[in-house]
Amino acid sequence: ETGVTQSPTHLIKTRGQQVTLRCSSQSGHNTVSWYQQALGQGPQFIFQYYREEENGRGNFPPRFSGLQFPNYSSELNVNALELDDSALYLCASSPMGGRTDTQYFGPGTRLTVL
Amino acid sequence: GEDVEQSLFLSVREGDSSVINCTYTDSSSTYLYWYKQEPGAGLQLLTYIFSNMDMKQDQRLTVLLNKKDKHLSLRIADTQTGDSAIYFCAETEGGGADGLTFGKGTHLIIQP
Repeated sequence: ETGVTQSPTHLIKTRGQQVTLRCSSQSGHNTVSWYQQALGQGPQFIFQYYREEENGRGNFPPRFSGLQFPNYSSELNVNALELDDSALYLCASSPMGGRTDTQYFGPGTRLTVL
Repeated sequence: GEDVEQSLFLSVREGDSSVINCTYTDSSSTYLYWYKQEPGAGLQLLTYIFSNMDMKQDQRLTVLLNKKDKHLSLRIADTQTGDSAIYFCAETEGGGADGLTFGKGTHLIIQP
């Protein structure tokens, strides 16, 4: 069984640019959540996708947006990058028929904004 | 808003038991989780407990929940060097749409 995968592993962007991060959910999982983990902090909830719709959102501005595809994979898009967006971005998936708060995390994408 | 607090560091000798503590403020917390993060890696789900339970044991891991004091602990028996990591406590009201609220994590340091 393949776990949650994310790409790319690392990414360097400059302030003002846009970035797209990708996530493939674990087999049998249909809900995807995204988190931002700044250095030395715990993960902060960005949003969750279920049935290709945003199902919940944390305290992040609209320049953070996402998509979920029919195969349950997901993208996180961040526009107008700021220096404070530098962080580890984690994707988590939850199993079909289970509670969406039981979440299994991928290895993350390390984003550096210069 | 919700808040989850953890001590930043815990140092134990190899073979001893480690006890990592967590307090939370949201009285609506229904599900509580422990995750492990090794350097450069994502989060590994270790165990979870529902708010209607007091204790849960899973091999070397024991979770204790004091709902009255909003206090959660994770005990790791016979701590090994491979247990060296950051341990995160997380809570949610349930339903998943609000996401998990995490503490800042406890760095577990193993002394030989």
